[in-house]
Amino acid sequence: GAVVSQHPSWVICKSGTSVKIECRSLDFQATTMFWYRQFPKQSLMLMATSNEGSKATYEQGVEKDKFLINHASLTLSTLTVTSAHPEDSSFYICSASRTSVETQYFGPGTRLLVL
Amino acid sequence: LAKTTQPISMDSYEGQEVNITCSHNNIATNDYITWYQQFPSQGPRFIIQGYKTKVTNEVASLFIPADRKSSTLSLPRVSLSDTAVYYCLVLNSGGYQKVTFGTGTKLQVIP
Repeated sequence: GAVVSQHPSWVICKSGTSVKIECRSLDFQATTMFWYRQFPKQSLMLMATSNEGSKATYEQGVEKDKFLINHASLTLSTLTVTSAHPEDSSFYICSASRTSVETQYFGPGTRLLVL
Repeated sequence: LAKTTQPISMDSYEGQEVNITCSHNNIATNDYITWYQQFPSQGPRFIIQGYKTKVTNEVASLFIPADRKSSTLSLPRVSLSDTAVYYCLVLNSGGYQKVTFGTGTKLQVIP
C-alpha cells in the first residue's frame, strides 16, 4: 500500500513553454500533497503544500505564478511549470499523505530539462 | 521545527551492521522521528518511524533514547544495494506538517 506515481518520469522542453507534472496516490486518498525540487547532489527542498480543494501554500522564494499547483481530487495533484527556463531544470518530486500530519509517501520523481 | 544533524557520509563493508545516528536536540513532545532512503534519481522511500524506545520492521531498527534528542537507524547486514542517502526527519503529529530535509547521510557499501 501507499503507492504514489508521477507522470511523466522525464521531460525535455524548450525555453518558454509550460510543462505539467502529475502526481497520483494509487491506493489511498491523499488529503495533502507536497511538491519538492532537488538539484544534483543536494537535498530535497519543499516548494509547496496543497490540500485537496484548497489553494496551495508556497514556501518562501517559490513563485506561485510560475509553479501552478492544483489538487482537485483526493488522488491527483498537478504541478505546472509555466514559461520554463533552463534554471528550472531539476528533479521534481511529489509526496502524498492521508492527512497533513501522517507519513508522507513519495513519488518516483520527474526529471525536467529545459533547453 | 526541530533541526537534525547527521554525518554527511559513511562507508561500510557488505554484511556488516550499519548504524546511522541523527541528532535532534530541540525535538518537541509531539514530534516523531522518520527515516527515508533515497537512491539516485528516485523519490525517497519510507524506512521506519518511531516516537521512543525501539521500533523494528523487516528492513531496519530505530533506537530512540529516553531523552529523544537523538536516534539511530540500524541496518542489519548491509548489501551493495543499500548504498543510498538516508534522511532523518523530525515531524510534528499535532498540526500542520512542514518537512525540512537535512543533508542526509550518504552510505557507501563496499564489496
